[in-house]
Amino acid sequence: KQEVTQIPAALSVPEGENLVLNCSFTDSAIYNLQWFRQDPGKGLTSLLLIQSSQREQTSGRLNASLDKSSGRSTLYIAASQPGDSATYLCASPPGGSQGNLIFGKGTKLSVKP
Amino acid sequence: AAGVIQSPRHLIKEKRETATLKCYPIPRHDTVYWYQQGPGQDPQFLISFYEKMQSDKGSIPDRFSAQQFSDYHSELNMSSLELGDSALYFCASSLGHDGTYEQYFGPGTRLTVT
Repeated sequence: KQEVTQIPAALSVPEGENLVLNCSFTDSAIYNLQWFRQDPGKGLTSLLLIQSSQREQTSGRLNASLDKSSGRSTLYIAASQPGDSATYLCASPPGGSQGNLIFGKGTKLSVKP
Repeated sequence: AAGVIQSPRHLIKEKRETATLKCYPIPRHDTVYWYQQGPGQDPQFLISFYEKMQSDKGSIPDRFSAQQFSDYHSELNMSSLELGDSALYFCASSLGHDGTYEQYFGPGTRLTVT
């Protein structure tokens, strides 16, 4: 059964710092991995999708990498801003599934001005 | 660009009442997923539909049922509501159901059971 773990559970950094959020998964036979952002009490905003055949994806200040063999993905945020403060979740549909996502518990990021 | 639409956005019900949540997928998307996110929890998969047929089932209580209609919109029906059903309910849609397609999430319906 696929399990997704995110470390750390919470992170507080000063504005301008580069940071890395970690996501690990137990079933390496994944189709893809998605990173989401969630503001308190709000919906899920998709940030990046990495297909199983890809190693990384970039969008603006965000870069996500995927290493299936080690069961790991990282989300790199460059030059963090207070507006980046949110909870970041990674999720993946396990291989053989019908696409339902298994989510990690998220990393709550706080960027201090 | 059109997004996933969910209605209502907020719903307050009493215990033992019934609730119906609606989801309108992005045009041309044939797959709908329902997720439940309790307070402080990560989203949990409930059920999915592909081309109007149930595709997969997760941790959905027997009190809940769902269907996808001919226009691809989906409804989640929840009966005999309990306090523990209070949560954010998300609908997501995608172009296919084999797990390779990106899922696009709606804004969610916040259900409060009193």
